[in-house]
Parts: sequence; C-alpha cells; structure tokens
Amino acid sequence: DIQMTQSPSSLSASVGDRVTITCRASQGISNYLAWYQQKPGKVPKLLIYAASTLQSGVPSRFSSSGSGTDFTLTISSLQPEDVATYYCQKYNSAPLTFGGGTKVEIK
Amino acid sequence: EVQLVQSGAEVKKPGESLRISCKGSGYSFTSYWINWVRQMPGKGLEWMGRIDPGDSYTNYSPSFQGHVTISADKSTSTAYLQWSSLKASDTAMYYCARHGSVSYSVYWGQGTLVTVSS
Repeated sequence: DIQMTQSPSSLSASVGDRVTITCRASQGISNYLAWYQQKPGKVPKLLIYAASTLQSGVPSRFSSSGSGTDFTLTISSLQPEDVATYYCQKYNSAPLTFGGGTKVEIK
Repeated sequence: EVQLVQSGAEVKKPGESLRISCKGSGYSFTSYWINWVRQMPGKGLEWMGRIDPGDSYTNYSPSFQGHVTISADKSTSTAYLQWSSLKASDTAMYYCARHGSVSYSVYWGQGTLVTVSS
C-alpha cells in the first residue's frame, strides 16, 4: 500500500510568515491528493482537493501544488486562526491513507 | 443541507461489543460513499474503511480489516461501525465522513468518542 509522509511534523512561525508543508507519496498518485485542516478540538475540514483546487470558502492565502509523489501546502501569510494540524490524504484508490499530520503553531 | 449526525459518546469495558452510527440527511444517501476515520487521543487521522451505501460494498484499511465491520442501512440512511470485542486500544474519537463527487471527504460527522476501560 502507498504510504503518505508529511514534513515537518510540527512548525512554529510568526504571524505573516509564509509556511510550507510537504507531503510525499511512496508511489505516484497523480493529483489525487486532498489537504485537511483540523483545529484543536474540532472536526477536520477539507481545504484543498485534486492537489491544487481550493474548496469553496477557504481563504486564498492557502494554496497547494504537486503531482505524482511530491506535494506542498503553502500558507502565504500565516494568521492566528490558522493554528491547526494539517493532513494530506491520497484518494486515488483504497486505502485512502492520511499523512501523519503537521502541527502549525504561532511563534 | 448535507448533515452527518453521529451517535453519542460510549463508555465500554474490554471484551464488550459496540455499534456506533452515522445518519446522513440532506442528500441521496445511496449516492456517496461513507468513510470511517479514527483519531486516537493526541494522534493523527487514520482511515479505517468505507462503504458504498448503494450496494454495501466495502473497502478496509489493512490495519483495521478483521477488527471492525462497516455496514449501512439504506432504509434509515445510516452507516455503522461495529466491534465484536473491544480493547482498551480502541479508545478514540471516530468520525464518519462523506465523499464528494470524488473520494475526498467533504462532509464530516461531529465525531463519536469511544472509551474502553475496565
């Protein structure tokens, strides 16, 4: 089965900083990649699907790119409300594996 | 409005059985797969498996195959996750989530906290 590896596992950045999270698949998954945001104590929320398509209502400071095995999620200007754990998920075929998550905190 | 409403928190003893539920509304229940996702305390999201409510076809993660059973009842628009013999390591929050037009999860239930303790 395909494994999904995220890095870093956590990061601390200042408000306004550009933040980048990486997700790597152990085999190619084309663009069948989604990103989710989970704020503390809350239900996960879909941010991005098809590797780079922003879900309706998601702020434009979030963007993502990649195809095949390497993907990145970027927050162009980190805001206090972005404190959360971010997960990638492959969905080309079952099992729909999640990455291990990246916890984003404010410095 | 699409809604997934999960059953309430459960406290069980090791060895007991359990079935938790996820009731869909606001859409055609048989048209979209339902996923189950585990989140152990302080840990990440783990995809457990999914069901096509139209024909009850299921996929399971190898990590969960044989340990849980996913089912659905079209007549009540409800998906289920069940255990025949719980272990303390099953203590977690469990989410159901519905696919969109493709297999990412757009809509999520509120979660069901399962606590297994002697």
